[in-house]
Amino acid sequence: QQQVKQSPQSLIVQKGGISIINCAYENTAFDYFPWYQQFPGKGPALLIAIRPDVSEKKEGRFTISFNKSAKQFSLHIMDSQPGDSATYFCAASKNTDKLIFGTGTRLQVFP
Amino acid sequence: SQTIHQWPATLVQPVGSPLSLECTVEGTSNPNLYWYRQAAGRGLQLLFYSVGIGQISSEVPQNLSASRPQDRQFILSSKKLLLSDSGFYLCAWSTGVVFYEQYFGPGTRLTVT
Repeated sequence: QQQVKQSPQSLIVQKGGISIINCAYENTAFDYFPWYQQFPGKGPALLIAIRPDVSEKKEGRFTISFNKSAKQFSLHIMDSQPGDSATYFCAASKNTDKLIFGTGTRLQVFP
Repeated sequence: SQTIHQWPATLVQPVGSPLSLECTVEGTSNPNLYWYRQAAGRGLQLLFYSVGIGQISSEVPQNLSASRPQDRQFILSSKKLLLSDSGFYLCAWSTGVVFYEQYFGPGTRLTVT
């Protein structure tokens, strides 16, 4: 019930392509869904977050798509760049409960 | 703007030695503060969080403890380190609703030998 399942574990994308990372959850009480980007040896950086009252949120080349009925949300990185190569974590939380993190996706973007 | 600092950046300690990691936040008042541990190639595990001075909530029972002696200072301690304490320790802060919109520090890489 408390898990957030993230896939794929690793992803290789050509420069200019679209990177898609998916997360699924069981707890319908979750009401906050952030994505974090982490470079090796650095702390995670909050990338973008969504609440369940909207189905999509876009910030620059990053878009969260949210499907409440399917209990899934995904991160889309448009026009992927080598600088986007990092590990991405999804997470979920409900009403002052701790963030539940996915297991991470290692993205590699090749020129 | 807000800034979060952690030190030291790296630490190598023998088993059984004490530990003290420090985290400070600038540019905000009364933040919620968090300690996480990240094992190599793994996700983040919440260790402690604090919503105010002297208020500490523990998520995982272990030989670590946390303290918040000042509004923007969060300390992670241990009296005797175990090999299993090795990892990447991350401090984070947020304001408003606890656990939402957390911002992480640069982390401390701890190796227990």
